[in-house]
Amino acid sequence: DQQVKQNSPSLSVQEGRISILNCDYTNSMFDYFLWYKKYPAEGPTFLISISSIKDKNEDGRFTVFLNKSAKHLSLHIVPSQPGDSAVYFCAASPNTGTASKLTFGTGTRLQVTL
Amino acid sequence: DVKVTQSSRYLVKRTGEKVFLECVQDMDHENMFWYRQDPGLGLRLIYFSYDVKMKEKGDIPEGYSVSREKKERFSLILESASTNQTSMYLCASRTGFSYSNQPQHFGDGTRLSIL
Repeated sequence: DQQVKQNSPSLSVQEGRISILNCDYTNSMFDYFLWYKKYPAEGPTFLISISSIKDKNEDGRFTVFLNKSAKHLSLHIVPSQPGDSAVYFCAASPNTGTASKLTFGTGTRLQVTL
Repeated sequence: DVKVTQSSRYLVKRTGEKVFLECVQDMDHENMFWYRQDPGLGLRLIYFSYDVKMKEKGDIPEGYSVSREKKERFSLILESASTNQTSMYLCASRTGFSYSNQPQHFGDGTRLSIL
């Protein structure tokens, strides 16, 4: 049972345009959501997160939106750059206590073209 | 910056061998995690530890065990390696003290091949 779903395995966007990566979840106990970026042969790097008490969080070119009623979050990258080409994983956690376990989506490969 | 170091980037072992994957973090984090990453399946949690000598099963613990004798080190053990354990293994750590939301920080991974 996939509790965190990234339904688009890949996405191609032109440099300078907006990239929108989507993520859906089914577990209503999730209240903390993260995006990680992964280059080949490297570990995932934390990008941005959002708590369920917010509906938007922004950090430079990266913005995460959370729609709790739809159980949907999205990552916007604007403007997209070639260095953004990577696999992006959405993750969710049900609590803020010790050892908060993360449940990951299957990832979306973003290709930013010149 | 948090540094999570995995002892090997690439490892090749034979079926039936006992395999040890080591992970060390330098931020005095309480929580440590082992994942495997497979194409189309994302990252799946094998085991985690919320403190020294504590461990809990994740979603796919079968065929694995762990050891956390010191706070900075978390070892993953494949008791008798099999070909279906060929994968990328990722270690992560996270502070457990704060009850505010904190991300996990990952090492660069160990690509393990079982022949």
